[in-house]
Amino acid sequence: GAVVSQHPSRVICKSGTSVKIECRSLDFQATTMFWYRQFPKKSLMLMATSNEGSKATYEQGVEKDKFLINHASLTLSTLTVTSAHPEDSSFYICSARERGGGVLYQPQHFGDGTRLSIL
Amino acid sequence: GQQVMQIPQYQHVQEGEDFTTYCNSSTTLSNIQWYKQRPGGHPVFLIQLVKSGEVKKQKRLTFQFGEAKKNSSLHITATQTTDVGTYFCAGPGYNQGGKLIFGQGTELSVKP
Repeated sequence: GAVVSQHPSRVICKSGTSVKIECRSLDFQATTMFWYRQFPKKSLMLMATSNEGSKATYEQGVEKDKFLINHASLTLSTLTVTSAHPEDSSFYICSARERGGGVLYQPQHFGDGTRLSIL
Repeated sequence: GQQVMQIPQYQHVQEGEDFTTYCNSSTTLSNIQWYKQRPGGHPVFLIQLVKSGEVKKQKRLTFQFGEAKKNSSLHITATQTTDVGTYFCAGPGYNQGGKLIFGQGTELSVKP
């Protein structure tokens, strides 16, 4: 149970392109999803919290106009990297927390991640 | 701000040796969670500790939560090559809607 699917797994594109990444909870409903960025051999850096039916909450220093998040349903959140540049190249991972239970206690279930390379 | 510190950053062991990673929070935590990320993979939830002084075991892995609920440890007995990966501890941010604050992770490599 608690499977999160993230697509695509790898993207290589030219500078200036916008890239959309999808995160789906397959067997549970997720009112909250999280988007992380991870650099090689580094920890997970939270970019934003995606809430179903409302605006995302961005962490300090993350450009909300650059990283557009939409949480259209209880099972889908998308991250769009707009006008991507080489410095946006990274490993992006989403996670989802099951609906119900205490928000402090529910573990997060991670997608496989998307490796984004901007040429 | 709230921080979760984890040491060591790297640990190289011979297969069969034990391994421990330590996690310290700047604030008291309601619970602590441990995740494992294999090379090239994504973090996978291992366990959650909630009670002060709690100890939980999963086969060769032993997890502890400190009495003050500010520190935790993961101990692996007799490491195997399948234990290779990065182990992260994480605690919920105080008054932050349940987002997790992750430690820096400990990367474990096991030499056969």
